[in-house]
Amino acid sequence: TQLLEQSPQFLSIQEGENLTVYCNSSSVFSSLQWYRQEPGEGPVLLVTVVTGGEVKKLKRLTFQFGDARKDSSLHITAAQTGDTGLYLCAGGESNTGKLIFGQGTTLQVKP
Amino acid sequence: EAGVAQSPRYKIIEKRQSVAFWCNPISGHATLYWYQQILGQGPKLLIQFQNNGVVDDSQLPKDRFSAERLKGVDSTLKIQPAKLEDSAVYLCASRQGVTGFPTPKETQYFGPGTRLLVL
Repeated sequence: TQLLEQSPQFLSIQEGENLTVYCNSSSVFSSLQWYRQEPGEGPVLLVTVVTGGEVKKLKRLTFQFGDARKDSSLHITAAQTGDTGLYLCAGGESNTGKLIFGQGTTLQVKP
Repeated sequence: EAGVAQSPRYKIIEKRQSVAFWCNPISGHATLYWYQQILGQGPKLLIQFQNNGVVDDSQLPKDRFSAERLKGVDSTLKIQPAKLEDSAVYLCASRQGVTGFPTPKETQYFGPGTRLLVL
């Protein structure tokens, strides 16, 4: 069974600080997605990375896919209170269209 | 474009009762997923449909959970009888494609979920 482990599980920081969330697996995935979920809502896709070593930027968010396609990271620069939420990584199985989710990282950004 | 619709948004039942959730995916989306998300965890896939056929139900507790997707559009997920540990958010998601993992051009769109509390 493929598993994705996220760390840390909880993160509470002050506005303006930087942070990094990690997503690790012993398995290779065809691609890796990052989602953000707010209370009372479903997850919303932030980015998909498909190539080992790929780096994508979305404003203050930087996503990286490991060279071996087993791990990924999400870095937020100068966090804002609007970044508060649950961040989920999900690995894709190329032959089934199935997503394996990590357990999530709850981020709280305090003003 | 309308998103994935789910109802009800909240449901409170007693253990051993039955409950049903409904999902209307985005129009034209062939693949539909039901996930269970327990508080503090990531979503866990329960069942995946392609059109009206089941692709993967390996993690569906079939002794109490059932799901169907009539005519390849709407879907219902039923729990009978419910247990305390079924308390969770049940998420429905859909995507346009039918084969393989979504490429960057395809996205799995999630509904808002149904919050179930079993007392």
